[in-house]
Amino acid sequence: NAGVTQTPKFRVLKTGQSMTLLCAQDMNHEYMYWYRQDPGMGLRLIHYSVGEGTTAKGEVPDGYNVSRLKKQNFLLGLESAAPSQTSVYFCASSYSPSGGLNFGPGTRLTVT
Amino acid sequence: GIQVEQSPPDLILQEGANSTLRCNFSDSVNNLQWFHQNPWGQLINLFYIPSGTKQNGRLSATTVATERYSLLYISSSQTTDSGVYFCAVEETSGSRLTFGEGTQLTVNP
Repeated sequence: NAGVTQTPKFRVLKTGQSMTLLCAQDMNHEYMYWYRQDPGMGLRLIHYSVGEGTTAKGEVPDGYNVSRLKKQNFLLGLESAAPSQTSVYFCASSYSPSGGLNFGPGTRLTVT
Repeated sequence: GIQVEQSPPDLILQEGANSTLRCNFSDSVNNLQWFHQNPWGQLINLFYIPSGTKQNGRLSATTVATERYSLLYISSSQTTDSGVYFCAVEETSGSRLTFGEGTQLTVNP
């Protein structure tokens, strides 16, 4: 049981490049989330999904898109990366909206 | 949206000491969770505690929902307890967690 996995672990992009972060969970959880963590701050919700085929905006959605084509996967896309998107990105899943969150190991993204 | 304030922002302890971390929130909540982020960045769910008291080994947590605060107790601290402790809440009108800014705990040997 791998829990929540994220790929890649590290990435460096140039301004304007695009990329996709992949999150996968093997716990059959309905709910999945993408957060970003910046120095000295807590985690801020980017987008989330309440089930396969659904997505919703979180607190800081601008500049990101997501897709949940399969229940076990939640993809986060950056179409045109900006230096302000330099951050550590965490994916999480839960069995219910009030259930305990299970976090992935994080992806450290640097945009130069 | 709901406001979440954690105190203290930083805490330094000697191994073996006890500590109390506080989380205040500005509105009624459905859900409150405590997380530990270790020095390698991994986030671990410690407690799901919208009300009442729970204990897990040397850690325990109490949430007084009517007074809008939660406390995390760490007893006989160890160096492995170092890291950042986050409180996160879900307001009754919402469907997502809002995180506080965390308490940075350093336990020295």
